[in-house]
Amino acid sequence: DAEITQSPRHKITETGRQVTLACHQTWNHNNMFWYRQDLGHGLRLIHYSYGVQDTNKGEVSDGYSVSRSNTEDLPLTLESAASSQTSVYFCASSESLAVGYNEQFFGPGTRLTVL
Amino acid sequence: RKEVEQDPGPFNVPEGATVAFNCTYSNSASQSFFWYRQDCRKEPKLLMSVYSSGNEDGRFTAQLNRASQYISLLIRDSKLSDSATYLCVRMDSSYKLIFGSGTRLLVRP
Repeated sequence: DAEITQSPRHKITETGRQVTLACHQTWNHNNMFWYRQDLGHGLRLIHYSYGVQDTNKGEVSDGYSVSRSNTEDLPLTLESAASSQTSVYFCASSESLAVGYNEQFFGPGTRLTVL
Repeated sequence: RKEVEQDPGPFNVPEGATVAFNCTYSNSASQSFFWYRQDCRKEPKLLMSVYSSGNEDGRFTAQLNRASQYISLLIRDSKLSDSATYLCVRMDSSYKLIFGSGTRLLVRP
């Protein structure tokens, strides 16, 4: 079955280290998204991509970067991890932007702790 | 003011009860709205899309009031399995999703 996966599921790292979170989907969806979820804030968009080689900044992009070299993957990199980046990170994908086809499917999440 | 506002709850209701959540949004240009369900420590999953004035799916009814800029979700005959957090979402003009912080529902036996 087609799916969207994230790895690692849990990560503990130290302040200042570079961290990369992986997201892989097998639906061949054009659109992929990264969110973070914190208590009291709901899900906030970090970066998104509408196709290969396309990347865009979201609401809370500072300190994060993404690259889209193929359809299946959108890795999220924390350039220099900070304690404020301790959060749960969700990746999502959607088939299209058109009404009726724009449902976003979410991965299981990555729980990141920055000490 | 948040773009999408929800009462965080929790709403604590007995099995079989009818419960309604409201959600207000600040951007009148929004065209598409959604309700997502999120179980504890799990990923959000789409519950309903709301494209026009509203729609119904079994025990769930979503309504959209563009004049007052709010969306509601009605759950009839609540089940224990309905216990979750319900996220109100609007799609902006760039097709990005804007999430509310969620309303927590607890259904008790």
